[in-house]
Amino acid sequence: GQSLEQPSEVTAVEGAIVQINCTYQTSGFYGLSWYQQHDGGAPTFLSYNALDGLEETGRFSSFLSRSDSYGYLLLQELQMKDSASYFCAVREIGKQGGKLIFGQGTELSVKP
Amino acid sequence: DSGVTQTPKHLITATGQRVTLRCSPRSGDLSVYWYQQSLDQGLQFLIQYYNGEERAKGNILERFSAQQFPDLHSELNLSSLELGDSALYFCASSVDFGDSYEQYFGPGTRLTVT
Repeated sequence: GQSLEQPSEVTAVEGAIVQINCTYQTSGFYGLSWYQQHDGGAPTFLSYNALDGLEETGRFSSFLSRSDSYGYLLLQELQMKDSASYFCAVREIGKQGGKLIFGQGTELSVKP
Repeated sequence: DSGVTQTPKHLITATGQRVTLRCSPRSGDLSVYWYQQSLDQGLQFLIQYYNGEERAKGNILERFSAQQFPDLHSELNLSSLELGDSALYFCASSVDFGDSYEQYFGPGTRLTVT
């Protein structure tokens, strides 16, 4: 089976940098995704890492180390609108189809 | 706006009842996924359909069932409802069989069982 661990909450101030970590245990690994969810809203895709290293998309970057079963999401120049829950997720692919297994989410609070 | 639609947005019903949640995927997407999100919990995968056929199953209760119709919209049926079934139910879609890392989520249906 798959399991993912991430901190339950993180607090940071506007303009700062914050890192949200995710460790995973999987029987088969195809990549790590990150999703953002504002309170009660639809989760939206942020980034994906299949290979080791850093992927940058604007103010957001995501890192993966397959040997350490570890990844993180880095948010720079924090804005108030970044206050949300952030989920890491791994793909589980079987013969019959595929699904995403999500972590429990990290609630990010950005303070002025 | 992801292009995925879900109805209704809110649903309040009593224990023991049965409800149907509806989802229309993005145009061109063949896979539909259903997720349950309880209060302060992560997203729990329930079931996936691809082009009308069930393809992957999570920890979906026997009281729950789903189907995908020829026009690719999907319905999730929840029966013999219990208080613990109160949750946000999300539908997501992707164009492929299930190996995509990006899924597009609808706005969700908030189910309250009283």
